[in-house]
Amino acid sequence: NAGVTQTPKFRILKIGQSMTLQCTQDMNHNYMYWYRQDPGMGLKLIYYSVGAGITDKGEVPNGYNVSRSTTEDFPLRLELAAPSQTSVYFCASSYGQGGQPQHFGDGTRLSIL
Amino acid sequence: QQQVKQSPQSLIVQKGGIPIINCAYENTAFDYFPWYQQFPGKGPALLIAIRPDVSEKKEGRFTISFNKSAKQFSLHIMDSQPGDSATYFCAASRNSGYALNFGKGTSLLVTP
Repeated sequence: NAGVTQTPKFRILKIGQSMTLQCTQDMNHNYMYWYRQDPGMGLKLIYYSVGAGITDKGEVPNGYNVSRSTTEDFPLRLELAAPSQTSVYFCASSYGQGGQPQHFGDGTRLSIL
Repeated sequence: QQQVKQSPQSLIVQKGGIPIINCAYENTAFDYFPWYQQFPGKGPALLIAIRPDVSEKKEGRFTISFNKSAKQFSLHIMDSQPGDSATYFCAASRNSGYALNFGKGTSLLVTP
């Protein structure tokens, strides 16, 4: 089972460029999440989705956008990359909300120079 | 504002030792407390989780102790092995919510 798959694994962007981080899951989970992980800071929720067509902001949504057209896919878009967005981005999914295990992908390491 | 405070930031133990990682929370609405293990270059993976109706949960060599009145919970790793060397995150959430509120993580090194 693939679980949660994220692409690309690494990317370097120039300030002001845009890109989309891809995330797909094959577990038929309704709930999907995007987190960013900065050194020594834990993981912070950027956006989440409770099903196709439904998304909402997390703790740190500024500078990002998401869409959820299918159950499987939950892409994260950076429109105008800024150095503060240098981070490792993780996508996760879960069967239910709150007290359900979240399954994480292996992350996208993004550097903005 | 960090909703879950985790300590220590790093920990070194010898093989066979019992590392203990502690977490504290303020929001009494939290009712789900998982621990995640993360190896370099990988995403976090659920290790063990507890709900506030029990004070302890054990899975293999991993034990969570939970103190509801003190709003604290901790992870104990029995007979630790070099393969346990990883970063450990505690988290907390509400059953009715969506977000996992993570601690800042503890980097554990188990020496041979």
